Amino acid sequence: DGGITQSPKYLFRKEGQNVTLSCEQNLNHDAMYWYRQDPGQGLRLIYYSQIVNDFQKGDIAEGYSVSREKKESFPLTVTSAQKNPTAFYLCASSTTGKGQPQHFGDGTRLSIL
Amino acid sequence: EDQVTQSPEALRLQEGESSSLNCSYTVSGLRGLFWYRQDPGKGPEFLFTLYSAGEEKEKERLKATLTKKESFLHITAPKPEDSATYLCAVGWDDKIIFGKGTRLHILP
Repeated sequence: DGGITQSPKYLFRKEGQNVTLSCEQNLNHDAMYWYRQDPGQGLRLIYYSQIVNDFQKGDIAEGYSVSREKKESFPLTVTSAQKNPTAFYLCASSTTGKGQPQHFGDGTRLSIL
Repeated sequence: EDQVTQSPEALRLQEGESSSLNCSYTVSGLRGLFWYRQDPGKGPEFLFTLYSAGEEKEKERLKATLTKKESFLHITAPKPEDSATYLCAVGWDDKIIFGKGTRLHILP
C-alpha cells in the first residue's frame, strides 16, 4: 500500500541535543512538507521541498533543518536552537502543481526530558 | 489576520442529528479548498478537494460545498464514529493554509 511513514511515533529530547525525525513516502510524489501542530493552533509549515536537492523555508523554520537527497525521504532535524520543540510533527507529500491536496503521515510526538 | 477561519471550534451532537461546519477564507486566487479528518494522535486524512464556487463533493454521510467566500461540511445523520477534528485548508500561491479545525463529538 502506498503511503507516508513517519518514525519514531514518540521521541524525547534532552537539553542541547539535536534529534532527527524520519519521513519516507512511496507515493512517487515530488513535493514533501513538514508541519508542526500545537494544541489550539492550525498546522504551521516548517520546511518544504518540491524537488530532490532543493528545499525552502516555511513560516517557522528557525531551529530546524532538513535535507532532500532522495525523492522518497525528507528527514527533519530539530536542533538545540529550537527552544520550544515540544509538539506534534507531521510530514506530508503531494504531486507538484498548484491546488494539489497533501497526504499526511501519522506524525511524531516530540517531548523534552 | 487569519486567512482561514473555522467555526464552531467544537460541536457536540446527538447521533442522527445533522449539522454543518463552516470554513471561511479571505485569500484571493483560491487554488483549491481541502477538507481533512483528523483522529487523536493521527495525521490528517484527506476527504475532499473543491476548486470552484458551486462545486459539491460527497462521501458517505459527508457533503462539502463551496462558495466564493466559504465552504460548508454538512454531516447527515452522524454516527459516533464520525467524531474527530475536521480541518479545512485553502491552496494559495504554492502553499496550503490550514484552519484551526472543528472538534466534532457525536454522542450515542
